[in-house]
Amino acid sequence: GAGVSQSPSNKVTEKGKDVELRCDPISGHTALYWYRQSLGQGLEFLIYFQGNSAPDKSGLPSDRFSAERTGGSVSTLTIQRTQQEDSAVYLCASSPRSVVDGRRSEQFFGPGTRLTVL
Amino acid sequence: GESVGLHLPTLSVQEGDNSIINCAYSNSASDYFIWYKQESGKGPQFIIDIRSNMDKRQGQRVTVLLNKTVKHLSLQIAATQPGDSAVYFCAERTGGYQKVTFGIGTKLQVIP
Repeated sequence: GAGVSQSPSNKVTEKGKDVELRCDPISGHTALYWYRQSLGQGLEFLIYFQGNSAPDKSGLPSDRFSAERTGGSVSTLTIQRTQQEDSAVYLCASSPRSVVDGRRSEQFFGPGTRLTVL
Repeated sequence: GESVGLHLPTLSVQEGDNSIINCAYSNSASDYFIWYKQESGKGPQFIIDIRSNMDKRQGQRVTVLLNKTVKHLSLQIAATQPGDSAVYFCAERTGGYQKVTFGIGTKLQVIP
């Protein structure tokens, strides 16, 4: 079946421009996550959506970062006035609500969007 | 905790040997743990999980051990193969229904 998809796969932008990154989760998954991964480093949590609850934004590094999830499905991560330190791979993951083979919290990751800020 | 700004530790093993990747978690209330594998250029993929009421779980060539006393998790890979070369992350469920927190990750290099 279809997995998590992200677009674009690569984005090159100039410093100061705004960018939008898109995530299409697996159909029916109620939880959606955004992470940032710099080259050779670990996963940095950004934001978490769960159903109709208020999102957990505790990982957003600054007010230049925002995300929304429309209709409980597609999510967009927006970075305003991009800086060079924003360059990284942005990963999206979704997770099902119900128990699936006992894996209650397994996250299914997309391939990521590689953002390069010049 | 978060792994921001830190470079990944690396473990090098000879092909055919067993690998042990360690992870220390921070929250004694965490009740569920997962190991993920991330190959170059791809998103992380689920390997194996374990609940806090267990201390060992086995999969195909992989075993996860949980020591709640010292808040330590390990992933053992038997007969390591070149295809096992990847970055391995542990994750703990720390609060809420589904939110998990990822550890720093360990890069496994298999020497042919």
